[in-house]
Amino acid sequence: KAGVTQTPRYLIKTRGQQVTLSCSPISGHRSVSWYQQTPGQGLQFLFEYFSETQRNKGNFPGRFSGRQFSNSRSEMNVSTLELGDSALYLCASSLGVEPNYEQYFGPGTRLTVT
Amino acid sequence: AQTVTQSQPEMSVQEAETVTLSCTYDTSENNYYLFWYKQPPSRQMILVIRQEAYKQQNATENRFSVNFQKAAKSFSLKISDSQLGDTAMYFCAFIDSNYQLIWGAGTKLIIKP
Repeated sequence: KAGVTQTPRYLIKTRGQQVTLSCSPISGHRSVSWYQQTPGQGLQFLFEYFSETQRNKGNFPGRFSGRQFSNSRSEMNVSTLELGDSALYLCASSLGVEPNYEQYFGPGTRLTVT
Repeated sequence: AQTVTQSQPEMSVQEAETVTLSCTYDTSENNYYLFWYKQPPSRQMILVIRQEAYKQQNATENRFSVNFQKAAKSFSLKISDSQLGDTAMYFCAFIDSNYQLIWGAGTKLIIKP
């Protein structure tokens, strides 16, 4: 099976712009989770989608949003970018139902905001 | 609040030695799942091993094994016969009925030749 893919791998944006990141899960996986990883804050959970519904959400401002399509592919959008949004954004997929909760990660998208 | 604590920010051992990484967690739930993930310098997060809280038997995957102490809420990872390729950040995490992975801060493991 192909692994989790994320596009683009690298992105440079200017403060105030918006950005959309894409994640394609492993075939058959219905759950997609998004994480932000920074040296200072570590790994922080953004949100999780299961069968097109947001099942859980982390403590991030409304500028961060996501969605999931019927084929389980997911997108994450960040509007009005701030310098502090510079991070590695990781996507992970899972079957999402007990007991198959283990998540498999994509290579990440490195976002730099200037 | 659910938390995961990794008390060792960095460890280093000689190649072929055995190393144990510590992890403690806090949750009020009885049913949950525990994981160790590895993130090498290439940045790809890789699942190393998983443990179901309802299972008393400790999980093993080749050179990797865990010591799961449910009452103590402890979940340590033992790497036997360590190899240079084991050099990475190691994260402990757990998931419960909220479907959210709760992460530790990570332990940087360096395997020296």
